Amino acid sequence: QQQVKQSPQSLIVQKGGISIINCAYENTAFDYFPWYQQFPGKGPALLIAIRPDVSEKKEGRFTISFNKSAKQFSLHIMDSQPGDSATYFCAASNKGAQKLVFGQGTRLTINP
Amino acid sequence: NAGVTQTPKFRILKIGQSMTLQCTQDMNHNYMYWYRQDPGMGLKLIYYSVGAGITDKGEVPNGYNVSRSTTEDFPLRLELAAPSQTSVYFCASSFQGYEKLFFGSGTQLSVL
Repeated sequence: QQQVKQSPQSLIVQKGGISIINCAYENTAFDYFPWYQQFPGKGPALLIAIRPDVSEKKEGRFTISFNKSAKQFSLHIMDSQPGDSATYFCAASNKGAQKLVFGQGTRLTINP
Repeated sequence: NAGVTQTPKFRILKIGQSMTLQCTQDMNHNYMYWYRQDPGMGLKLIYYSVGAGITDKGEVPNGYNVSRSTTEDFPLRLELAAPSQTSVYFCASSFQGYEKLFFGSGTQLSVL
């Protein structure tokens, strides 16, 4: 019940295309859903996050879509650029847990 | 402002050896975390701390120990290293618990 399942494991997108990464969770107590971006040799860094009181959050080219009834959320990267090539992790938590549960990660490659 | 600093960056251990991974943060964060990252497995929580003197187990604590004597430092101790502990280890800290974790650049450990 504490798991967050992420797919796909790897993704190749052409420059200018839309990258979509999906996550699913089971614990209905989760109330915070962040996405982290990790470049090779670096630690992950917070990219964007959403709470379940909204269905979508957009920051620049990055959008989180949230479906509470399906217990799913996804990251959309519009106009994908080679500089977006990285590993992306979804995660989930709730205030009482004080810790994040991470998905398995998606290695995204944007071809020029 | 250095953020989260981890040392060493790389280390090779022989089976049965012990070592301590160092982590220090200069942001006065109460919350600190140790994760390990294995290919295709995401980030697994080893131990975490909500303040000096307080530590708790995560998902995969076996074979590891931690201590938190100061707000700044959160070392991770490996006793009797095993090949299964070959991984990349990340330390992270946050001000408000699970929200916005700041990660160090990681320690790549090989146990041979």
